[in-house]
Amino acid sequence: DTGVSQDPRHKITKRGQNVTFRCDPISEHNRLYWYRQTLGQGPEFLTYFQNEAQLEKSRLLSDRFSAERPKGSFSTLEIQRTEQGDSAMYLCASSVGTDSSYEQYFGPGTRLTVT
Amino acid sequence: AQKVTQAQTEISVVEKEDVTLDCVYETRDTTYYLFWYKQPPSGELVFLIRRNSFDEQNEISGRYSWNFQKSTSSFNFTITASQVVDSAVYFCALSEGFGGATNKLIFGTGTLLAVQP
Repeated sequence: DTGVSQDPRHKITKRGQNVTFRCDPISEHNRLYWYRQTLGQGPEFLTYFQNEAQLEKSRLLSDRFSAERPKGSFSTLEIQRTEQGDSAMYLCASSVGTDSSYEQYFGPGTRLTVT
Repeated sequence: AQKVTQAQTEISVVEKEDVTLDCVYETRDTTYYLFWYKQPPSGELVFLIRRNSFDEQNEISGRYSWNFQKSTSSFNFTITASQVVDSAVYFCALSEGFGGATNKLIFGTGTLLAVQP
């Protein structure tokens, strides 16, 4: 059983460029979450999917951010016109159930640096 | 509003000492879950434990134990006979509700535990 995988692990980009991250959840997990973690802070919720439906987005997810989960499998998170404030670790998590009795399993994260 | 507070930013202990990491939470829901995650230097969050709001029994797993007290809204984590491999950032998290809810995790700011040999 493989865990949650994320690609790339590190991304360095120049301000104004677009970036896209991919997350592959654990097979059969129908919930997929995106979080953002900045230095010295805990992860903050960005958005989540129930199968292919995006059911909630945080206020942290500005118009420059978009997430998809086609076919309810892998998910992508795109940031357009990156800003230095977007520099953070982007974490993906998945869970098998639809309530909190099921823990979320996290991937290794994608560390984004915007120069 | 939901909130998780981990007042201890950093703790340093010597190997074999016992250490307790504090977690205080706020929620208006009567149904919720509490979690602890470990984040080693590699960065990947590792699930440690989940407790629901209806179960206040303390739990022990090897050298780890958890004390959940609704009266003080606390969910503290104790490592007995700490080891160097326990060095990591530990996060306490809160999630509300059952089926249909977002079940997003609200994390504290974490406690960095350094275990010296």
